[in-house]
Amino acid sequence: DIQMTQSPSSLSASVGDRVTVTCRASQSISYWLAWYQQKAGKAPKLLIYKASTLESGVPSRFSGGGSGTEFTLTISSLQPDDFATYYCQQYNSYPYTFGQGTKLEI
Amino acid sequence: QLQLQESGPGLVKASETLSLTCAVSGGSIGDDNYSWGWIRQPPGRGLEWIGSIHYGGNTNNNPSLTSRVTISVDTSKNQFSLGLTSVTAADTAVYYCARHFGTSYGFWSGSYTVNYYYYLDVWGKGTTVTVSS
Repeated sequence: DIQMTQSPSSLSASVGDRVTVTCRASQSISYWLAWYQQKAGKAPKLLIYKASTLESGVPSRFSGGGSGTEFTLTISSLQPDDFATYYCQQYNSYPYTFGQGTKLEI
Repeated sequence: QLQLQESGPGLVKASETLSLTCAVSGGSIGDDNYSWGWIRQPPGRGLEWIGSIHYGGNTNNNPSLTSRVTISVDTSKNQFSLGLTSVTAADTAVYYCARHFGTSYGFWSGSYTVNYYYYLDVWGKGTTVTVSS
């Protein structure tokens, strides 16, 4: 299985801050990576797929980058609605695997 | 707008079989562009992909669960199902169903092979399953 490691596991930030979350794969996954946002008690929501393609309806302050084994999720200017947990997921090969999550807190 | 809704018992006894159904509305489960799958999340923990199925019946399961997992599809009811046998407390989780969408590439390598690269673009709200002893 491909192991996905996110850093940091938690992050304290303020409204307006620029934040970056990193996701590393244990082997190359090309650009077959997605990012999800999950709020407490809710299902995950797709933000980005194919490493950098923004899902329809997702605000442009979210962006993704990277390829191979290292990827980033950046929020350019944090909004109150962005405080949540973020997961990366590789879909290069089965079984699909997720990072352990990054909790973004005020 | 596509919606997925999980249903099934919220409480299952240890050693018994967990059975869940995901009803699909606002779209057809028989659309060749998608697969349909299950993901779970134990309390306070991260996400684990369980497996997926295409309407034609082709399945892919997580090897960590494959001996206990059955995923099936019922196109007449526009739904798909999860069965997990011999459950233990470790199977206590929120179970989500999700549509898998993305890209497929076919190539010749001795035989014709198709690789699928599917992310999870639509999720159900999730259903909590507790395994009791």
